[in-house]
Amino acid sequence: EAGVAQSPRYKIIEKRQSVAFWCNPISGHATLYWYQQILGQGPKLLIQFQNNGVVDDSQLPKDRFSAERLKGVDSTLKIQPAKLEDSAVYLCASSRGSYNEQFFGPGTRLTVL
Amino acid sequence: RKEVEQDPGPFNVPEGATVAFNCTYSNSASQSFFWYRQDCRKEPKLLMSVYSSGNEDGRFTAQLNRASQYISLLIRDSKLSDSATYLCVVNTNRGPTGRRALTFGSGTRLQVQP
Repeated sequence: EAGVAQSPRYKIIEKRQSVAFWCNPISGHATLYWYQQILGQGPKLLIQFQNNGVVDDSQLPKDRFSAERLKGVDSTLKIQPAKLEDSAVYLCASSRGSYNEQFFGPGTRLTVL
Repeated sequence: RKEVEQDPGPFNVPEGATVAFNCTYSNSASQSFFWYRQDCRKEPKLLMSVYSSGNEDGRFTAQLNRASQYISLLIRDSKLSDSATYLCVVNTNRGPTGRRALTFGSGTRLQVQP
Protein backbone atom coordinates (compact mmCIF):
# COMPACT_ATOMS: atom_id res chain seq x y z
CA GLU A 1 0.00 0.00 0.00
CA ALA A 2 1.47 3.34 -1.04
CA GLY A 3 1.93 5.87 1.73
CA VAL A 4 0.98 9.53 1.94
CA ALA A 5 2.76 11.49 -0.78
CA GLN A 6 3.80 15.11 -0.45
CA SER A 7 5.57 17.56 -2.70
CA PRO A 8 7.79 19.41 -2.82
CA ARG A 9 10.04 18.00 -0.12
CA TYR A 10 11.91 21.28 0.33
CA LYS A 11 11.07 24.88 -0.49
CA ILE A 12 12.98 28.10 0.11
CA ILE A 13 11.20 31.40 -0.49
CA GLU A 14 11.51 35.00 0.54
CA LYS A 15 9.04 36.63 2.88
CA ARG A 16 5.90 37.99 1.25
CA GLN A 17 6.11 35.37 -1.53
CA SER A 18 3.48 32.68 -2.02
CA VAL A 19 3.94 28.94 -1.75
CA ALA A 20 1.78 25.87 -2.24
CA PHE A 21 2.13 22.33 -0.97
CA TRP A 22 0.48 19.22 -2.34
CA CYS A 23 -0.63 16.05 -0.60
CA ASN A 24 -2.00 12.77 -1.90
CA PRO A 25 -3.39 10.60 0.91
CA ILE A 26 -3.49 6.82 1.15
CA SER A 27 -6.14 5.45 -1.18
CA GLY A 28 -9.50 5.11 0.54
CA HIS A 29 -8.67 7.40 3.44
CA ALA A 30 -11.52 9.81 3.97
CA THR A 31 -9.85 12.03 6.53
CA LEU A 32 -6.93 14.29 5.66
CA TYR A 33 -4.97 16.56 7.96
CA TRP A 34 -2.40 19.32 7.54
CA TYR A 35 -0.02 19.95 10.42
CA GLN A 36 2.69 22.55 11.00
CA GLN A 37 5.75 21.42 12.94
CA ILE A 38 8.15 24.10 14.06
CA LEU A 39 11.63 22.94 15.07
CA GLY A 40 11.63 21.60 18.63
CA GLN A 41 7.85 21.38 18.85
CA GLY A 42 5.23 18.76 18.19
CA PRO A 43 2.98 18.93 15.13
CA LYS A 44 0.13 21.44 15.37
CA LEU A 45 -3.08 20.74 13.48
CA LEU A 46 -3.90 23.41 10.90
CA ILE A 47 -6.90 21.89 9.17
CA GLN A 48 -8.81 18.60 9.00
CA PHE A 49 -10.93 17.44 6.06
CA GLN A 50 -13.53 14.70 6.00
CA ASN A 51 -13.83 13.84 2.31
CA ASN A 52 -13.96 17.31 0.74
CA GLY A 53 -15.52 19.10 3.72
CA VAL A 54 -13.67 21.00 6.42
CA VAL A 55 -14.11 19.50 9.90
CA ASP A 56 -11.74 21.72 11.86
CA ASP A 57 -9.78 24.77 10.77
CA SER A 58 -9.77 26.56 14.11
CA GLN A 59 -5.97 26.87 14.18
CA LEU A 60 -5.49 27.86 10.55
CA PRO A 61 -4.31 31.50 10.16
CA LYS A 62 -6.95 32.30 7.60
CA ASP A 63 -5.56 35.69 6.71
CA ARG A 64 -2.65 34.00 4.94
CA PHE A 65 -3.25 30.25 4.85
CA SER A 66 -5.79 28.41 2.73
CA ALA A 67 -6.40 24.77 1.94
CA GLU A 68 -8.68 22.80 -0.29
CA ARG A 69 -9.56 19.22 -1.07
CA LEU A 70 -11.83 19.64 -4.04
CA LYS A 71 -12.50 16.04 -5.09
CA GLY A 72 -12.09 14.49 -1.67
CA VAL A 73 -8.74 12.98 -2.57
CA ASP A 74 -5.61 15.11 -2.85
CA SER A 75 -5.22 18.45 -1.17
CA THR A 76 -3.24 21.67 -1.44
CA LEU A 77 -2.17 24.05 1.29
CA LYS A 78 -1.23 27.59 0.33
CA ILE A 79 0.50 30.41 2.17
CA GLN A 80 0.15 33.91 0.79
CA PRO A 81 2.08 36.01 1.76
CA ALA A 82 4.65 34.04 3.73
CA LYS A 83 6.22 35.35 6.91
CA LEU A 84 9.51 34.40 8.55
CA GLU A 85 7.65 32.56 11.32
CA ASP A 86 6.08 30.23 8.75
CA SER A 87 9.41 28.41 8.46
CA ALA A 88 8.52 24.88 9.52
CA VAL A 89 7.82 21.39 8.26
CA TYR A 90 4.32 20.98 6.86
CA LEU A 91 3.04 17.46 7.39
CA CYS A 92 0.08 15.88 5.71
CA ALA A 93 -1.59 12.88 7.31
CA SER A 94 -4.54 10.69 6.42
CA SER A 95 -6.73 8.13 8.11
CA ARG A 96 -9.72 5.98 7.24
CA GLY A 97 -11.81 8.05 9.61
CA SER A 98 -11.26 10.49 12.44
CA TYR A 99 -11.15 7.60 14.95
CA ASN A 100 -8.48 5.66 13.07
CA GLU A 101 -4.70 5.73 13.11
CA GLN A 102 -3.16 8.65 11.22
CA PHE A 103 -0.40 8.00 8.72
CA PHE A 104 1.95 10.85 7.97
CA GLY A 105 3.67 11.86 4.77
CA PRO A 106 7.37 12.80 4.69
CA GLY A 107 6.57 16.51 4.99
CA THR A 108 7.61 19.66 3.17
CA ARG A 109 10.40 21.66 4.81
CA LEU A 110 9.73 25.36 4.22
CA THR A 111 12.35 28.02 4.82
CA VAL A 112 11.26 31.65 4.60
CA LEU A 113 14.14 34.12 4.25
CA ARG B 1 -0.67 25.81 30.74
CA LYS B 2 0.01 23.68 27.66
CA GLU B 3 -2.56 21.02 26.84
CA VAL B 4 0.11 18.34 26.66
CA GLU B 5 3.45 18.69 28.45
CA GLN B 6 6.56 16.59 28.16
CA ASP B 7 10.10 16.85 29.46
CA PRO B 8 12.11 17.66 26.31
CA GLY B 9 15.16 15.76 27.52
CA PRO B 10 17.47 14.64 26.08
CA PHE B 11 17.58 11.41 27.99
CA ASN B 12 21.00 9.87 27.41
CA VAL B 13 21.04 6.22 28.43
CA PRO B 14 23.37 3.28 27.78
CA GLU B 15 22.28 0.29 25.74
CA GLY B 16 20.31 -2.17 27.84
CA ALA B 17 19.02 0.45 30.25
CA THR B 18 15.39 0.97 31.21
CA VAL B 19 14.04 4.46 30.64
CA ALA B 20 10.66 6.04 31.37
CA PHE B 21 8.96 9.15 30.05
CA ASN B 22 5.96 10.90 31.52
CA CYS B 23 3.49 13.21 29.88
CA THR B 24 0.78 15.31 31.53
CA TYR B 25 -2.40 16.59 29.92
CA SER B 26 -4.68 19.37 31.06
CA ASN B 27 -8.09 18.45 29.63
CA SER B 28 -9.84 15.94 31.86
CA ALA B 29 -12.28 15.21 29.01
CA SER B 30 -9.49 13.73 26.88
CA GLN B 31 -10.54 10.33 25.67
CA SER B 32 -7.71 8.54 23.98
CA PHE B 33 -3.97 8.61 24.20
CA PHE B 34 -1.03 7.58 22.06
CA TRP B 35 2.71 7.53 21.85
CA TYR B 36 4.26 8.42 18.49
CA ARG B 37 7.89 8.06 17.56
CA GLN B 38 9.66 10.59 15.36
CA ASP B 39 13.14 10.02 14.00
CA CYS B 40 15.31 13.00 13.10
CA ARG B 41 13.98 14.70 9.94
CA LYS B 42 11.30 12.04 9.51
CA GLU B 43 7.56 11.98 9.95
CA PRO B 44 5.89 10.81 13.18
CA LYS B 45 4.79 7.18 13.32
CA LEU B 46 2.39 5.56 15.76
CA LEU B 47 4.27 3.57 18.39
CA MET B 48 1.35 2.43 20.50
CA SER B 49 -2.03 3.39 21.82
CA VAL B 50 -2.43 3.77 25.58
CA TYR B 51 -5.29 1.89 27.20
CA SER B 52 -6.83 2.50 30.61
CA SER B 53 -5.61 -0.84 31.90
CA GLY B 54 -2.11 -0.29 30.61
CA ASN B 55 -0.63 -2.19 27.71
CA GLU B 56 2.61 -3.75 26.63
CA ASP B 57 4.18 -4.31 23.23
CA GLY B 58 7.46 -6.14 23.46
CA ARG B 59 9.93 -3.93 25.30
CA PHE B 60 7.48 -1.02 25.48
CA THR B 61 4.88 -0.50 28.21
CA ALA B 62 2.36 2.34 28.31
CA GLN B 63 0.33 3.37 31.33
CA LEU B 64 -2.52 5.84 31.84
CA ASN B 65 -3.39 7.55 35.11
CA ARG B 66 -6.64 9.45 34.60
CA ALA B 67 -6.84 10.70 38.18
CA SER B 68 -3.50 12.46 37.89
CA GLN B 69 -3.87 13.11 34.16
CA TYR B 70 -0.64 11.64 32.99
CA ILE B 71 0.55 8.87 30.72
CA SER B 72 3.87 7.12 30.73
CA LEU B 73 6.06 5.12 28.39
CA LEU B 74 8.59 2.61 29.68
CA ILE B 75 11.27 1.19 27.42
CA ARG B 76 13.18 -1.84 28.67
CA ASP B 77 16.51 -3.12 27.36
CA SER B 78 17.12 0.00 25.27
CA LYS B 79 18.58 -0.46 21.80
CA LEU B 80 20.58 2.01 19.74
CA SER B 81 17.67 2.00 17.30
CA ASP B 82 15.35 3.36 20.00
CA SER B 83 17.09 6.76 19.69
CA ALA B 84 14.35 9.13 18.57
CA THR B 85 11.89 11.71 19.83
CA TYR B 86 8.81 10.29 21.54
CA LEU B 87 5.65 12.36 21.16
CA CYS B 88 2.80 12.12 23.61
CA VAL B 89 -0.55 12.56 21.84
CA VAL B 90 -3.96 13.21 23.36
CA ASN B 91 -7.30 13.00 21.55
CA THR B 92 -10.00 15.30 22.88
CA ASN B 93 -13.53 16.05 21.82
CA ARG B 94 -13.86 19.71 21.06
CA GLY B 95 -17.14 21.57 21.38
CA PRO B 96 -20.76 20.57 20.88
CA THR B 97 -20.20 19.15 17.41
CA GLY B 98 -17.99 16.47 18.92
CA ARG B 99 -15.00 17.27 16.73
CA ARG B 100 -12.05 15.22 17.79
CA ALA B 101 -8.57 16.63 17.63
CA LEU B 102 -5.14 15.20 18.30
CA THR B 103 -2.89 17.42 20.38
CA PHE B 104 0.80 16.59 20.27
CA GLY B 105 3.30 17.26 23.01
CA SER B 106 6.65 18.75 22.06
CA GLY B 107 8.35 15.40 22.45
CA THR B 108 11.03 13.83 24.61
CA ARG B 109 14.33 13.11 22.94
CA LEU B 110 16.01 9.79 23.72
CA GLN B 111 19.62 9.05 22.85
CA VAL B 112 20.77 5.50 23.50
CA GLN B 113 24.53 5.23 23.64
CA PRO B 114 26.74 2.19 22.99
